[in-house]
Amino acid sequence: AQTVTQSQPEMSVQEAETVTLSCTYDTSESDYYLFWYKQPPSRQMILVIRQEAYKQQNATENRFSVNFQKAAKSFSLKISDSQLGDAAMYFCAVHDSGGGADGLTFGKGTHLIIQP
Amino acid sequence: GAGVSQSPRYKVTKRGQDVALRCDPISGHVSLYWYRQALGQGPEFLTYFNYEAQQDKSGLPNDRFSAERPEGSISTLTIQRTEQRDSAMYRCASSPALAGEAGANVLTFGAGSRLTVL
Repeated sequence: AQTVTQSQPEMSVQEAETVTLSCTYDTSESDYYLFWYKQPPSRQMILVIRQEAYKQQNATENRFSVNFQKAAKSFSLKISDSQLGDAAMYFCAVHDSGGGADGLTFGKGTHLIIQP
Repeated sequence: GAGVSQSPRYKVTKRGQDVALRCDPISGHVSLYWYRQALGQGPEFLTYFNYEAQQDKSGLPNDRFSAERPEGSISTLTIQRTEQRDSAMYRCASSPALAGEAGANVLTFGAGSRLTVL
């Protein structure tokens, strides 16, 4: 079974600064995918970034980048030049196809506060 | 449609009543997933379909929960004899690829149906 741990229930950052959200996971599979989702106050679930485990290069999407450490099973999200619109819950998730199940496993989330 | 549509957005029901939650995926999306999100928690996988076939229902909490997707498009999640612990946001997501194929795990989520059981 997969597990995802987000050890920071809440993080706060000044606007325009950089913040890093932590995520560790556990899976018995060697081939899997990792995700960060954003859930703003509207409670939509928006995909922020995706990383394939077999790719060593860290994924980047504009101001969002990840630090993927496969051996440590760590997948942190870095948000540069934080903006007020980045305020949201951020969920880390892992997907593998092992054991026949095919759903994403999510962490409990980190509430990100942006201070103007 | 342009996005994943879920209805109703809000449902308040009394304990013991049955509820049906509907999901209309993005047109052409072949796989469909149901998740449940309790307050302060991340989404929890319930079940998923490839076309009309329910591939995995291991996440359904008990036999009061069932889901169907008879024509491979719209899906209904039904909760019988609701209990207060069933109160949560129920989310549907769809993907253009079959579960197990590359890209299948890039999901588009709906806005969810918030269920409150009194």
